[in-house]
Amino acid sequence: QVRLVQSGAEVKKPGSSVKVSCKNLDFTLTNSYITWVRQSPGHGLEWMGWINIYNRKTLFAQMFQDRVTMTTDSSTATVNMELSPLIFEDTAVYYCARGINWFDSWGQGTLVTVSS
Amino acid sequence: QSALTQPASVSASPGQSITISCTAADSDIDSFQFVSWYQQHPDKAPKVLIFDVSERPSGVSSRFSGSKSGDTASLTISGLQAEDEADYYCFSYITTTAVLFGGGTKLTVL
Repeated sequence: QVRLVQSGAEVKKPGSSVKVSCKNLDFTLTNSYITWVRQSPGHGLEWMGWINIYNRKTLFAQMFQDRVTMTTDSSTATVNMELSPLIFEDTAVYYCARGINWFDSWGQGTLVTVSS
Repeated sequence: QSALTQPASVSASPGQSITISCTAADSDIDSFQFVSWYQQHPDKAPKVLIFDVSERPSGVSSRFSGSKSGDTASLTISGLQAEDEADYYCFSYITTTAVLFGGGTKLTVL
C-alpha cells in the first residue's frame, strides 16, 4: 500500500472549475495508475477514469470525457484531477486510488460542493 | 449497455454467513474477468476486500471470500461481526468503454 493524501474541501460556483490533488507521500508511484472515483451524497461509487503516471496516458468515462483533465507532476509526486465546467450534480466526494483493475490504496476523499 | 447489478440490501445476524451477488449484463460476460470488491463504512474511503475475482490482499480477514459463476460474481462473508455492517461494492474493468462499479449493497448486521 501507499499513502495518498488529497487536497482539502472546495466550494465552487456552477460553470467554474475545480482541481483536486492527490499526493503520494512515499514517492513510490513511479510506475502506477491513479484512478479517480466520485461519490455523490447518498449514492454509490462512480468510476471517472485513470492516468498512467509513467507515460501520462489517460482514459476517461464517457460521461466525463469533455470535462475532465488528469495530470501528474513527478517532482512533487502529485496527481491532479480537474473538472470543468462544474454543474450542481458534480457535488460529491472525489477519491484518488492506486490501480486500474483494483485499488489497494485510497486517498481520504475531497468534498467538492457546487453551489450558487 | 454495461451494468453491474447488486442487491440493494442484505441483512443477517452475527455469526451467520451472507453472499452478495454482482451480475453483469449479458454483453459483458466474456470480459467479466477482473472483479474486485470493496467495503465502505460511513464517511470513510472504500477498502479492498477481494481482487481478481477471488484473491484476498494481505491483511484482509479470511472471512471474506470471492467467486464467480457465469455472469455473476459473489462476495461471501462468513461469521458475521458487527463491524461488517457497511456498504459493499463490486467493480469490474470489463473493457476500456465498460469500467464500472456495481450499485452497492447495504449490509445490516441484526
